[in-house]
Amino acid sequence: DTAVSQTPKYLVTQMGNDKSIKCEQNLGHDTMYWYKQDSKKFLKIMFSYNNKELIINETVPNRFSPKSPDKAHLNLHINSLELGDSAVYFCASSRRTGGNTIYFGEGSWLTVV
Amino acid sequence: GESVGLHLPTLSVQEGDNSIINCAYSNSASDYFIWYKQESGKGPQFIIDIRSNMDKRQGQRVTVLLNKTVKHLSLQIAATQPGDSAVYFCAETFTGANSKLTFGKGITLSVRP
Repeated sequence: DTAVSQTPKYLVTQMGNDKSIKCEQNLGHDTMYWYKQDSKKFLKIMFSYNNKELIINETVPNRFSPKSPDKAHLNLHINSLELGDSAVYFCASSRRTGGNTIYFGEGSWLTVV
Repeated sequence: GESVGLHLPTLSVQEGDNSIINCAYSNSASDYFIWYKQESGKGPQFIIDIRSNMDKRQGQRVTVLLNKTVKHLSLQIAATQPGDSAVYFCAETFTGANSKLTFGKGITLSVRP
């Protein structure tokens, strides 16, 4: 069973569209994250949720809206997609916040054309 | 600002040789460090971690060394195999509520047959 699973794996969409990426973890972790990896492979945190509550928001444009219906799920909705949003988005989870190992999903490749 | 960096962008090693990947960190408050391996088309995969109360930790074919005096972290891979070819990231955080895991830039390890 996949520990952190996210869908879709690949997404190609036009500028201006709205899209969502879903994430689920079956590790029983309290904390979930969204990371963005750019074309130079640099990984940067976007959001962190602990037990459905937002705890980290790294000055991400408000076109990005995470939603956590329960602590096992953290979805990412993106409005009005721009070319610069093209990247790989990784969902991740950890047992709790602070000083814990983070486990990543396989990534969602978003291409905005 | 604080940063985590790697000395070399690429490393090419002969199969069977030992590999050493180095990383410098600058946040003196960091007390937990993780090495991740990212294969092409996949998410970062946990390899090994170390806390600041240790200088060395060994896993299967991998060893992490931590030098807090000079804020240096290294990953040693023994008897490097073709399957070790990937991008490697060091990451740092501290054991505090809502702390972030900050990634270095990544280094590509290429194993020559």
